[in-house]
Amino acid sequence: NAGVTQTPKFRILKIGQSMTLQCTQDMNHNYMYWYRQDPGMGLKLIYYSVGAGITDKGEVPNGYNVSRSTTEDFPLRLELAAPSQTSVYFCASRRNMGLEPQHFGDGTRLSIL
Amino acid sequence: AQSVTQLGSHVSVSEGALVLLRCNYSSSVPPYLFWYVQYPNQGLQLLLKYTSAATLVKGINGFEAEFKKSETSFHLTKPSAHMSDAAEYFCAVSDRRDAGGTSYGKLTFGQGTILTVHP
Repeated sequence: NAGVTQTPKFRILKIGQSMTLQCTQDMNHNYMYWYRQDPGMGLKLIYYSVGAGITDKGEVPNGYNVSRSTTEDFPLRLELAAPSQTSVYFCASRRNMGLEPQHFGDGTRLSIL
Repeated sequence: AQSVTQLGSHVSVSEGALVLLRCNYSSSVPPYLFWYVQYPNQGLQLLLKYTSAATLVKGINGFEAEFKKSETSFHLTKPSAHMSDAAEYFCAVSDRRDAGGTSYGKLTFGQGTILTVHP
């Protein structure tokens, strides 16, 4: 059971380039989340999804886009990369039942130069 | 709006000593609270969670946390530190379903506390 898988693990982008961070889960979880982690700041919610076709903004959505065409996949898109988007990005998922915890991927470390 | 404050960005203890990591929260409704641990270059793993069933919550690896409503705190403790406990620890609060409300399990995290364990 792979859990939550994120690709790539590392990436360097130039300012203005675009890229998609991939996230897939094999646990049939309805809820999925994208966070960014910056040193000393904890994790901030970027976007979340409660099911295929349903997404909503989190605390820091500017500069990002998401889609959710299947239950398994929740890609995060950066259209015009900026230095402020240098961060570690985590994808998470959970079941919609009681207070199930979120399960996290291992992260994507992204540098914008 | 919810918020979480972790007092102390770095905590250093000797192996075998008590571990105490502090977390205070702010929430307009009774909260769901979590502690997660992050080892280097890894994602977050759940240590324990508070769901109002009991104020003292036991987690994995010998950690426990006590919910104190009067102090709005949820401090994490371990009686005897081990070298393998060295990691970053995050306290988090979840939005909670209440009358007329909807919970999507969104987490608000504290800033994190890096625990160092000395031999």
